[in-house]
Formats: sequence, structure tokens, C-alpha cells
Amino acid sequence: GGIITQTPKFLIGQEGQKLTLKCQQNFNHDTMYWYRQDSGKGLRLIYYSITENDLQKGDLSEGYDASREKKSSFSLTVTSAQKNEMAVFLCASRSGLGGRYQDTQYFGPGTRLLVL
Amino acid sequence: AQSVTQPDARVTVSEGASLQLRCKYSYFGTPYLFWYVQYPRQGLQLLLKYYPGDPVVQGVNGFEAEFSKSNSSFHLRKASVHWSDWAVYFCAVSIKGGRALIFGTGTTVSVSP
Repeated sequence: GGIITQTPKFLIGQEGQKLTLKCQQNFNHDTMYWYRQDSGKGLRLIYYSITENDLQKGDLSEGYDASREKKSSFSLTVTSAQKNEMAVFLCASRSGLGGRYQDTQYFGPGTRLLVL
Repeated sequence: AQSVTQPDARVTVSEGASLQLRCKYSYFGTPYLFWYVQYPRQGLQLLLKYYPGDPVVQGVNGFEAEFSKSNSSFHLRKASVHWSDWAVYFCAVSIKGGRALIFGTGTTVSVSP
């Protein structure tokens, strides 16, 4: 088995601030993901990475940067936090470089963001 | 466009009663479908997954789902609900050659005694 760790658990920021969220996995998975979860809107894909130093944009990438410097870690940066923004950011990982539809994504516990 | 619709935002069921959660998908080609569950303050966990074959898929904790191509549906069922099933349930379809998922908006299940 393995685990996905997300830091911090809670993040309170100011409007316009750059905020960084971190994700670590010890599954030795190739592919990692960042999702944003808003109440009533489900999960929306921000970025994913199929290997070290690779980045692929999801539907919600505007306003975010991502970095995959190591196979085990994937960082997400909110480039300019929006006032009153409140969301949960979920990191996930999956084995394989892609093309295997049945592979399972494993999720971390999330980082809860609040912007004052 | 590919999409997943979960028409019920919230469902309340009595403990011991049966449960059905609805999921409709829009996908060109053969879909690969998943149900995930999110317990309070946790990430998502896989309940079950479908890829072409038997339309009824068994999952963990007594859950099963049935795929219907004619109805574009993948409904989740459980015969007897337990209080520990109180959670949010997400349906998802695989896209980008299996590399990513599109999720529905989720259904919150509340269990009454």
C-alpha cells in the first residue's frame, strides 16, 4: 500500500497572495493530479503530470501553476488568490503513463483554502 | 462533449433501507466508469469501476452498479444502508486515453436512524 500526503491541511491567505500547496506520494506512481472541489460543483481538473517534469493542463488551469520536479511530489501554486475564495484542493496519483482505462486514482485528504 | 450528470444533490435514506444513486454520462465511444466515495474530511476512495464486460459490477461494502449503454447510465445500488454509508458519492468517466477523469457534481447521502 501507499499514502498521499498533502500540506498544509488548511491554508488561509490574503487577496492577491501567491499560495503553494504540496503533495507527496509513496506509491511510486507515474501520474499525478490536482483537482479543485467546490461545493455543488464536483471535482474539476487543474493540472496533471504523467512523469517527472511533465505538465498537462486541465479545464481549470488558468490562475494556477504546477511543478513536478520529482516523481514523488507535485506542487500547485495559486498565482493570485481571489477574495472570499473557498475550496478544497485534492491531489491524486495513478500508476502507468496512461492508456490503461481501468487504473485507479488514489486521493489525498485535501488542502482547504480560505482567502480573506 | 464528455460529461457526467448526477441529478440528485442530496438523498436521505433510513438505515437498513435500499439505496440507488443515479449517474448519467455523455461519452463518444466506450466509456470506462467509476464510483468514488468521500467520507467527511477525507479524500476520495474507489467503490467500484466498470470496463467493457459484465454490465453489473460489484464493489466494496456491498455496493454494486449497473451499466446501461441504451440509457447512458451507471447507477449505484446498495441493498441495505448502514449509518457508516453517510458520505458524498461521485460518479466519473475516464477521458484523455485513460489519463484523467471527469467527475459528476456528487450526491450527498444522509442516513436516518
